[in-house]
Amino acid sequence: KAGVTQTPRYLIKTRGQQVTLSCSPISGHRSVSWYQQTPGQGLQFLFEYFSETQRNKGNFPGRFSGRQFSNSRSEMNVSTLELGDSALYLCASSLSGQGAGTEAFFGQGTRLTVV
Amino acid sequence: AQKVTQAQTEISVVEKEDVTLDCVYETRDTTYYLFWYKQPPSGELVFLIRRNSFDEQNEISGRYSWNFQKSTSSFNFTITASQVVDSAVYFCALSEVYSGGGADGLTFGKGTHLIIQP
Repeated sequence: KAGVTQTPRYLIKTRGQQVTLSCSPISGHRSVSWYQQTPGQGLQFLFEYFSETQRNKGNFPGRFSGRQFSNSRSEMNVSTLELGDSALYLCASSLSGQGAGTEAFFGQGTRLTVV
Repeated sequence: AQKVTQAQTEISVVEKEDVTLDCVYETRDTTYYLFWYKQPPSGELVFLIRRNSFDEQNEISGRYSWNFQKSTSSFNFTITASQVVDSAVYFCALSEVYSGGGADGLTFGKGTHLIIQP
C-alpha cells in the first residue's frame, strides 16, 4: 500500500513569488490536512480538505490556500512568499478526517526555503 | 483554546535505560483524542498511538507504554529498555471534536528530542 506522497521534496523560491505544493493521499483516504513546521512555532495546522471541500482552517493569512481534487489529491498554494514562510510543509491523509479521530498518515514533507 | 505542553525539550539517555516523555494538555471539550507521533530525521511523522477521552486504560505495545490520566490532563509515554533506533523527536497531539462531529486539526506540542546514546 503506497504511502502519502508529497512533491516536490525541496523547493527554493524568491520572496514575492508564489508556490504550489502537491500531496497524494493513501488510496481510499478522503481527508487531507496540511501542516507547517518551523523551529520557532513548531507544527501548526493549516487546513483540512474532505471530499473536495475545505472542512477546517487554521490561523493563517489568506495567502495560504488549498484545494482538493476528485481523486483526493490536494494542492497547497502560498502567494506572495515571505521569508517567514520557509518551513517544512507536511501533508496528512486519513480515512475519515480529524473529527473521527482516525489515524493520520503523514508524508515526508516539502522543505520550502524562501530567499 | 486547546494547548499541548511538552516541557522536556531534549532528553539524552544511555541505551537500555527507561525514559518517560511527558505531555500535558488543555481543552474545554469533553470529547477529544490524544496522539503520539515520532519524527525521525527523514521528516515524516509516524503514528504511535491514539486515545479518546473516554478511554483511560493504559496501553502497552512492546517496549512502549502510555499512561493517560484525565485527572492531571496528562498523557505520558514511556520507552522501556531504550535503543539507539528510538532516537527521534516525539510529538504529543490533541484533537478536539465538535458536537457535530467535525474537529479542528491536530494541536501539537513542541516536541521532545530524544537522544539514545550507545
